Parts: sequence; C-alpha cells; structure tokens
Amino acid sequence: QVHLVESGGGVVQPGRSLRLSCAASGFSFSRYALHWVRQAPGKGLEWVAVMSYDGNNKYYTDSVKGRFTVSRDSSKNTVYLQMNSLRAEDTSVYYCARDMRENYYYYMDVWGKGTAVTVSS
Amino acid sequence: EIVLTQSPATLSLSPGERATLSCRASQSISSHLAWYQQKPGQAPRLLIYETSNRATGIPARFSGSGSGTDFTLTISNLEPEDFAVYYCQHRANWPYTFGQGAKLEIK
Repeated sequence: QVHLVESGGGVVQPGRSLRLSCAASGFSFSRYALHWVRQAPGKGLEWVAVMSYDGNNKYYTDSVKGRFTVSRDSSKNTVYLQMNSLRAEDTSVYYCARDMRENYYYYMDVWGKGTAVTVSS
Repeated sequence: EIVLTQSPATLSLSPGERATLSCRASQSISSHLAWYQQKPGQAPRLLIYETSNRATGIPARFSGSGSGTDFTLTISNLEPEDFAVYYCQHRANWPYTFGQGAKLEIK
C-alpha cells in the first residue's frame, strides 16, 4: 500500500523556522519525484516545491524561493521541507504528494493527509 | 508563471445532471493539464491527467477535453459523492500552478 505521512507542523512565530517531514512507504522511493502542496485555511491549492527522484533537481514557487528548501533522505524514505523566515501567509496545511511517473515530473497521484502550519505571534 | 482561471466559481446542480467545469490557461500548455477533486477535510484526489486520461479507479462519468489554453472537465450523471471542489493544474513549466478551484454544490 502506497503511503505518505507528513509530520512536523505546529505553531511558530513569524521569522522562525520549521522543518516538515514526509515519510513514504509502499513504493520505490528513489524512483519518484515528491512534491509539496499547501492550502491556506478556506483557500485553494498552491504548489510549493518538488524534489526530483534522484535528489539532483529542485524547483520552487516564487513566494518561497530563498526561504524554503526541499531535501530527501533515501535511507529513511523521507522528504523534508525546511521552512525559514516564516510569514503569516505561510499558514497552511502542507501536503506531500508523489509524482505518478518514475524518473519524471508529471502529476500527483498519491497524497498524504497533510500537516498544519500556523505562523502567528 | 502560468495562471489558470476556473469557471464558474460555483455550480449548483442536482444528482443525475451533467456538470461542465472550465479551466483557461494564460498561455498555451499543450495538453499538460490535470483535474483533482477535493472534499472537505480530505487531501485532493487525481481524477484526470494529461487533459483526458482517467486516473486509476476513476469512474467513466468523469471525462476531460481541451488543448492549448481551454480545457473542460465533464461529469455526466452526477452522483451524490461528486459534489466537491475541483481544481485544474498544469505541468507545462515551473512553477506548477493550480486554478483557484470550482465548487460543485447540490441544488
């Protein structure tokens, strides 16, 4: 059973940092790109970042460039989202999602349940 | 970045009717578009990828069409479980973006 479980969310003050984790199971972790997508309360979906299957390439949406960093640890089947200089507008549920094709960038077919991040003083 | 605009924002229909949701891209994205369904408190679910391909386990009443800048998700013979929010998403370049969402509600 393919499974993604996010963790690490919580309440954090503006300007502080937080690291989210996404633990994967049930598939060959090193063959798939993994995406982060967020959803502010009552709002729509926003694609945040992706890390390639081999860890060599990363892409970000403009609003998080320079503040967020995606990484992966294949020994732990886990992808991370390091979030620095957090702002109130980063308050969202953060979803981890698997790309549907091996060794490629395509669409997101498996999603975790999400972890909530609140940025507030 | 490519902006995806969905219409209508809200569609009110009854079970058994046909729903047509639109997604317009700010520039050509060829056929690189997907549709997702999201219900309250749940993660999104992939319905359609690359404009017209149904994802695994998606019923045949869901269909997609279009190319270039104009795309459509059609849901024929609406079932009660189809009432949800629908998002389009492109993969034409980075960053990926989603449309703002369209709510399909029971009339």
